[in-house]
Amino acid sequence: GNSVTQMEGPVTLSEEAFLTINCTYTATGYPSLFWYVQYPGEGLQLLLKATKADDKGSNKGFEATYRKETTSFHLEKGSVQVSDSAVYFCALTQWGKLTFGTGTQLKVEL
Amino acid sequence: GAVVSQHPSWVICKSGTSVKIECRSLDFQATTMFWYRQFPKQSLMLMATSNEGSKATYEQGVEKDKFLINHASLTLSTLTVTSAHPEDSSFYICSARPGTSGDNEQFFGPGTRLTVL
Repeated sequence: GNSVTQMEGPVTLSEEAFLTINCTYTATGYPSLFWYVQYPGEGLQLLLKATKADDKGSNKGFEATYRKETTSFHLEKGSVQVSDSAVYFCALTQWGKLTFGTGTQLKVEL
Repeated sequence: GAVVSQHPSWVICKSGTSVKIECRSLDFQATTMFWYRQFPKQSLMLMATSNEGSKATYEQGVEKDKFLINHASLTLSTLTVTSAHPEDSSFYICSARPGTSGDNEQFFGPGTRLTVL
């Protein structure tokens, strides 16, 4: 079956540091890939997505590139802010169903 | 953006009782709603998919008599945990998807924390 593996957290960074959260997946065919973010006390929100190989999803300074050859979809941001503190979930979808990674908590400190 | 609410946000109940959790799409019609369960430090596990007006489709290993799902309208789905036991304690999250395409975005509720004593 499909699976998503992402790095364990928590990840603690200083403000303006560079962020990378690794995500790799296992799936048959060509799934769409997503990053969701969950702020404290809120539901998951779609952060960005990519639907085919070499696509780059981007939003709010975050980026991720669909790498079919390495089955990866790593999340990056050049300069994080305190307001980026949240839990980030990598996910894929096939046949209308989402499969999630375990989530990575990001803490950004001043 | 599209908003999905859940009620209650948290509930504590005694073992053996039943608990109902509501999921509502507030500003769109949700043809399909999903129920997930999340354990601490683990990913969201899909429990079931419900389409308005039809029976829910449960994932393998999920007891359909234990977790009753009703999707009676395009804006409301309910999950009832029957005869709850401590092992049912978890964080339950719903999502709603507008339209009929499986590629449409799912919008998530804030979750319901269930604690069974």
